[in-house]
Amino acid sequence: AQSVTQPDIHITVSEGASLELRCNYSYGATPYLFWYVQSPGQGLQLLLKYFSGDTLVQGIKGFEAEFKRSQSSFNLRKPSVHWSDAAEYFCAVGTYNQGGKLIFGQGTELSVKP
Amino acid sequence: ETGVTQTPRHLVMGMTNKKSLKCEQHLGHNAMYWYKQSAKKPLELMFVYSLEERVENNSVPSRFSPECPNSSHLFLHLHTLQPEDSALYLCASSQELAVQNEQFFGPGTRLTVL
Repeated sequence: AQSVTQPDIHITVSEGASLELRCNYSYGATPYLFWYVQSPGQGLQLLLKYFSGDTLVQGIKGFEAEFKRSQSSFNLRKPSVHWSDAAEYFCAVGTYNQGGKLIFGQGTELSVKP
Repeated sequence: ETGVTQTPRHLVMGMTNKKSLKCEQHLGHNAMYWYKQSAKKPLELMFVYSLEERVENNSVPSRFSPECPNSSHLFLHLHTLQPEDSALYLCASSQELAVQNEQFFGPGTRLTVL
């Protein structure tokens, strides 16, 4: 069965520290991978996506993610976290033959310490 | 108005009430989605519409009834809900029903069923 796992429910980092949020997927077909962010009281906003090509993708707000097929992972990184990055982050996966249907992970809540 | 809007933002209803959630997208998109977001659970795709036709219904109970009168509007009609239906209901839209197309989310309706 298709699934997305975000092993960390909640992460706290200090402002200015680096960040890595983990995402593992289980998918039979070539995956399309996404990271979304949800700030309190807001809908989800797309940070970045990977379809093919260079396995390191750049997104908005200084985020990047690396696709590792051998590990079935698509981890999100940021070299220096800002207080405004505190939010919930969702990894999602889809496939070409399923239209717009995405499978989401349960999310990782990020807190930022001053 | 820009993007995807949802009304109301908050709704409290009894189990015998009938209410409707409204979503409107101002992006000229052809596909629209309803998601349910419960605490600490992955987003659940409920319904998908493409060009006003329902193309996905993920085993959602009949007490939830979607309606898409045109490509800009999407409704979710609610009746005889259960307390476990309390959640954040998110609407999204995309240019086409294709995995490559970014989904744009509204801020959601926070539903509480008493």
